[in-house]
Amino acid sequence: DIQMTQSPSSLSASVGDRVTITCRASQDIRNALGWYQQKPGKAPQRLIHAASRLQTGVPSRFSGSGSGTEFTLTISSLQPEDFATYYCLQHNSYPWTFGQGTKVEIK
Amino acid sequence: EVQVAESGGGLVQPGGSLRLSCAASGFTVSSNYMSWVRQAPGKGLEWVSVLYSYGNTYYADSVKGRFTISRDNSKNTLYLQMNSLRTEDTGVYYCARVGILLGDPNGMDVWGQGTTVTVSS
Repeated sequence: DIQMTQSPSSLSASVGDRVTITCRASQDIRNALGWYQQKPGKAPQRLIHAASRLQTGVPSRFSGSGSGTEFTLTISSLQPEDFATYYCLQHNSYPWTFGQGTKVEIK
Repeated sequence: EVQVAESGGGLVQPGGSLRLSCAASGFTVSSNYMSWVRQAPGKGLEWVSVLYSYGNTYYADSVKGRFTISRDNSKNTLYLQMNSLRTEDTGVYYCARVGILLGDPNGMDVWGQGTTVTVSS
C-alpha cells in the first residue's frame, strides 16, 4: 500500500499568512493526488485535483504543486474561512490512501 | 444541481449488518465511478470502496469480504452492504462521485453530507 505522510499535523497561523502543507508518498504516484478541506461536522470539499489543478469555484489563493512523491498545498493569504483540516489523497493505485490531515488553527 | 445524499445509518450490534444508500441527482450513477469514504470519530478520512461505471469494484483491506458496493440503475442509487460489523467500523460514511481525467479516476469531486454508523452492544 502507498503511505501518504502529511506535515505538519497542525499549525497556527494568522489571517493574511502564507501557509504550506506537504504530502510525501511512499512511492511514485505521478500526479494522482488531490487536496481536500474539511470543516467540523461537514463533508470534505475538493480544492485541488491532479496535483495542481484548481477545482472549479475554489478561490485562487489555493494552489497545488508537485509530482512523483512530493506535493504541496499553498494558501497564499489565509482567510478566516480557511481555518479547517486539510487532507491529501492519492488515487494512483488501490487502496487509495489519505494523509493523516493538517489542522489549521487561528494564532 | 449535482448532489448525493446518504441514508441508512444507525446503531447496530457487533456482528450485525446494515445497508447504506446514496441517492444521486443531477447526474447518472451508472455512468460514473462512485466511492465510499468513512471517518471514525475524531479521526481522519479512510477510503472504503469504489465502483466503476463498467462494474469493477475495489475495497480497502479493512472491509474486504465484509462490505459490498453496488448500485440500482433504475433508482440512480449507490449502496454499501455492510456485514459482520465491528466496533471499529463506527463512523460517518460519505458517498462521493469520482471524477475522471484522461480516462483515469481523479479523486472524489462531489460529496454527500454523510450518514452515521454506530457499532456497539
